[in-house]
Amino acid sequence: AQSVTQLGSHVSVSEGALVLLRCNYSSSVPPYLFWYVQYPNQGLQLLLKYTSAATLVKGINGFEAEFKKSETSFHLTKPSAHMSDAAEYFCAVSPGGGNKLTFGTGTQLKVEL
Amino acid sequence: DAGVIQSPRHEVTEMGQEVTLRCKPISGHDYLFWYRQTMMRGLELLIYFNNNVPIDDSGMPEDRFSAKMPNASFSTLKIQPSEPRDSAVYFCASSSYVVAGAHTGELFFGEGSRLTVL
Repeated sequence: AQSVTQLGSHVSVSEGALVLLRCNYSSSVPPYLFWYVQYPNQGLQLLLKYTSAATLVKGINGFEAEFKKSETSFHLTKPSAHMSDAAEYFCAVSPGGGNKLTFGTGTQLKVEL
Repeated sequence: DAGVIQSPRHEVTEMGQEVTLRCKPISGHDYLFWYRQTMMRGLELLIYFNNNVPIDDSGMPEDRFSAKMPNASFSTLKIQPSEPRDSAVYFCASSSYVVAGAHTGELFFGEGSRLTVL
């Protein structure tokens, strides 16, 4: 069975500071990994995905994530936070690339002036 | 291109009433998913379809819940009778496994149906 663990249900950063949202996965087969973002009263939208190609993945809005097999991690980063980044972020795993995604519990990102 | 369309966006009903949520997936997508989101449980997969056929309904909480996909452009999630603990945001998402020979693995979500059962 596959699962993801997101460390920290709430993260607060200052505008312009580094954003780091943590995700660790468990999968019995090579995983596909995803980060989704959810803005208030909206559905989730894909930020980026890892599908067994390059381990450093770049997504929309300046976000990127690095797949580290040795650490079973797929942390999301952005060098400089913007107020518009405030949202909830979900890590998700799909075993071997199937369409059945398992989502983490989400991390609420707050950006302060 | 239109995204996933869900209706209603908000539904308030009384315990015991029947609730029907509707979803129109993106044209050409062959997978459709129903998720439920609550503060307590986060995002839970209820059921998903491939080519209109239910593949995995292990997440459907009880017999009170049922889902259908009569054709490639329409799906319903029905709760009968509804209970206060069913209050949640229900998301529909669609996907295409392979596009131009490449795996996508990306789900496209609707904006959700917020259900409140009093």
